[in-house]
Amino acid sequence: AQSVSQHNHHVILSEAASLELGCNYSYGGTVNLFWYVQYPGQHLQLLLKYFSGDPLVKGIKGFEAEFIKSKFSFNLRKPSVQWSDTAEYFCAPQRAGNNRKLIWGLGTSLAVNP
Amino acid sequence: EAQVTQNPRYLITVTGKKLTVTCSQNMNHEYMSWYRQDPGLGLRQIYYSMNVEVTDKGDVPEGYKVSRKEKRNFPLILESPSPNQTSLYFCASSLSSGGWGEQFFGPGTRLTVL
Repeated sequence: AQSVSQHNHHVILSEAASLELGCNYSYGGTVNLFWYVQYPGQHLQLLLKYFSGDPLVKGIKGFEAEFIKSKFSFNLRKPSVQWSDTAEYFCAPQRAGNNRKLIWGLGTSLAVNP
Repeated sequence: EAQVTQNPRYLITVTGKKLTVTCSQNMNHEYMSWYRQDPGLGLRQIYYSMNVEVTDKGDVPEGYKVSRKEKRNFPLILESPSPNQTSLYFCASSLSSGGWGEQFFGPGTRLTVL
């Protein structure tokens, strides 16, 4: 079965610290890759996505992610976090197939201290 | 404004009392899906629909029903709710019928079954 592993469940950082959240998936075929963010009390929003091409993708609010096919990884990065980045972050690969559903990681809760 | 709407946003009910959570999208999307989000379990797909009158089970369909009579609406029906269906529910839609690509999420419905 396909699975997604987000290595960090809870991360606490101070403002201006750098962030890297790990994501590995188990499916070896064609995938789209997404990071979604859920701010406190809000719905899921797309942070960034990778479909094909340049494996380094940039998203909103200064986030970026790198797709490394050989490692089945899609790690999220931000060089300098802000208090407003406090949220839950979800990695979600999407495999080709009849039901191209998103396969969700369990999420990483990020708390940024001012 | 392009969006996915859900109603109600919050609902407290009792065991066995039938309820419907509505979901509507105004983006002319083909694909719609329901997820539930539970602590420690992440998001799990309940049902999905690739087009009008086409629905199929996701990972956790037991105790739920759906219908897709119109492209824009995808209600989730709990015929006889039980406490284990207490959860946060999200509706999502995607442009392509296979759900390939970005999914847009509604604001969520927090359901408590007593």
